[in-house]
Amino acid sequence: AQKITQTQPGMFVQEKEAVTLDCTYDTSDPSYGLFWYKQPSSGEMIFLIYQGSYDQQNATEGRYSLNFQKARKSANLVISASQLGDSAMYFCAMRERRSNSGYALNFGKGTSLLVTP
Amino acid sequence: EAGVTQFPSHSVIEKGQTVTLRCDPISGHDNLYWYRRVMGKEIKFLLHFVKESKQDESGMPNNRFLAERTGGTYSTLKVQPAELEDSGVYFCASSQEDRDRTLHFGNGTRLTVT
Repeated sequence: AQKITQTQPGMFVQEKEAVTLDCTYDTSDPSYGLFWYKQPSSGEMIFLIYQGSYDQQNATEGRYSLNFQKARKSANLVISASQLGDSAMYFCAMRERRSNSGYALNFGKGTSLLVTP
Repeated sequence: EAGVTQFPSHSVIEKGQTVTLRCDPISGHDNLYWYRRVMGKEIKFLLHFVKESKQDESGMPNNRFLAERTGGTYSTLKVQPAELEDSGVYFCASSQEDRDRTLHFGNGTRLTVT
């Protein structure tokens, strides 16, 4: 069974600073996908970034980058130049193959990020 | 394009009552998923439709939960009878392919069972 671990229940960062949200995963499947989602207080789940296990380069999407260290099984999210609007819950997830040949996401418990002025 | 929409956004019901949640996926998305987050716990997979067929319903907690996707368009998730532990946020998501890099989520339905 796969497992996603987010060890930081809460994080603070000052506006304009960079912040790293940790995520480690455990899987025996050589092919997998890693996702980060943002959930603001309004409740919607916003896709941020994706990293495939065979991708050679770390994924980047604007101010978001994924520090993918395959040997260490970590997929940390880096947010550069934090903004007040980045305050939200952040979830790391891994796509796992289900027994019935489909796929589903396996989520971590999330990290609550608060950006301060 | 319109995103994944869920209705209602909030629902408060009494234990023993029935509630039906609805999800309209993005048009053309064959894959539709239901997830839920019980307070303080991880978001958990419930089930996966491919068009109108249930690809995987192994995450459904018990037989009080019934999901349907008639015609392969919108989906409903019925909880009957609701129990206190069913309270949480129910998310629907859709994708065109099962292994899409982006899974589009709806805003969720917050269910409170009192």
